[in-house]
Amino acid sequence: NAGVTQTPKFQVLKTGQSMTLQCAQDMNHEYMSWYRQDPGMGLRLIHYSVGAGITDQGEVPNGYNVSRSTTEDFPLRLLSAAPSQTSVYFCASSRTSAIGTDTQYFGPGTRLTVL
Amino acid sequence: ELKVEQNPLFLSMQEGKNYTIYCNYSTTSDRLYWYRQDPGKSLESLFVLLSNGAVKQEGRLMASLDTKARLSTLHITAAVHDLSATYFCAVESGTYKYIFGTGTRLKVLA
Repeated sequence: NAGVTQTPKFQVLKTGQSMTLQCAQDMNHEYMSWYRQDPGMGLRLIHYSVGAGITDQGEVPNGYNVSRSTTEDFPLRLLSAAPSQTSVYFCASSRTSAIGTDTQYFGPGTRLTVL
Repeated sequence: ELKVEQNPLFLSMQEGKNYTIYCNYSTTSDRLYWYRQDPGKSLESLFVLLSNGAVKQEGRLMASLDTKARLSTLHITAAVHDLSATYFCAVESGTYKYIFGTGTRLKVLA
């Protein structure tokens, strides 16, 4: 199993450009999530999904869109990149139960710089 | 709004010593997770604590959860250099939303 994969590993954008960060998992996990990690701030939840067709906002959703058309894939779209979105982005997945999720498995991350 | 605080933020310790990292959270939650992150790398799951009084151990690390005190501890026994990393706790805020602490950067000196 590849686990959780993310592409690209690194990306540089100019202000105003749009792009999509890709995330895929091969563990048949229902739950998938996107986080950003900034120095000194830990990880903050951007969006999450509990299954195909079901997404919801996390702590810091502004400026980002997601969709979940398959169990495996959960892309994150930056609509109009801003320097404040310079960060490391992690995708994660986990199994779900009636009362929450199991531990999350994280992808390797995408380091994004917006100039 | 759920807040998760870890302390200390930085910890430098000698090999062979014991120490404890604390994770406090502000509202009721029965699930707490510990993760490890090496520099420049992704996060790796360490422990899942699902109920009050839960205790889990793996090697030199032991985690516990007191839901009444809203406190989890990660105890390090006889530290070795390989334990140098940043440790995060995460708490579930409502269903399926997770709040992470700011992390504790641990450096074990030979």
